[in-house]
Amino acid sequence: AQKVTQAQTEISVVEKEDVTLDCVYETRDTTYYLFWYKQPPSGELVFLIRRNSFDEQNEISGRYSWNFQKSTSSFNFTITASQVVDSAVYFCALSEGEGTTDSWGKFQFGAGTQVVVTP
Amino acid sequence: GAVVSQHPSRVICKSGTSVKIECRSLDFQATTMFWYRQFPKQSLMLMATSNEGSKATYEQGVEKDKFLINHASLTLSTLTVTSAHPEDSSFYICSAKFIGTAYNEQFFGPGTRLTVL
Repeated sequence: AQKVTQAQTEISVVEKEDVTLDCVYETRDTTYYLFWYKQPPSGELVFLIRRNSFDEQNEISGRYSWNFQKSTSSFNFTITASQVVDSAVYFCALSEGEGTTDSWGKFQFGAGTQVVVTP
Repeated sequence: GAVVSQHPSRVICKSGTSVKIECRSLDFQATTMFWYRQFPKQSLMLMATSNEGSKATYEQGVEKDKFLINHASLTLSTLTVTSAHPEDSSFYICSAKFIGTAYNEQFFGPGTRLTVL
């Protein structure tokens, strides 16, 4: 069963528009971790944010903000005033468990959302 | 800190040959390394989990005899694609973590693009 759902395949916006990327996850663990990564055309994953299941505070970093809602199992990501450099694929990922044994800590990635920002 | 490198970044080979990809943790000891494969316009799919000094654990559907993984030291894991065929062409990404990594975080390498002709 898919544990991380990114329902939006592609979002196209014009520069300076805001764009929100949805991420819905599924887990039975009480301890888990959520991540967002950016993958530009070069392919290298760029870490954006991490969150643990006990920290529901929303976060803002520059033009980026994240909304973590345990009640709806969602961890959405908003880019404010988008720029052409924001064009990339964005992945949401889930890691379950305490991560203290070698077999834990696997990442499950969503399908990714392609963001296209045009001038 | 927590830098992971991969070598080579890009490789083109003929069908039937074997290709080795290296994944190194440059500034930490990686007790666990992960190998992912990513086809064009798709997500990252975990292939295997590699623990230093022990056999890799492969995900369902991944042929262990085709994708040989060796994690011989705390800073190096290798993935060998044996008898590569065009369908093995993909982007291979490794990641690494150490015991006690906060948030279960994995540190990702820059990826290796494999093209099999």
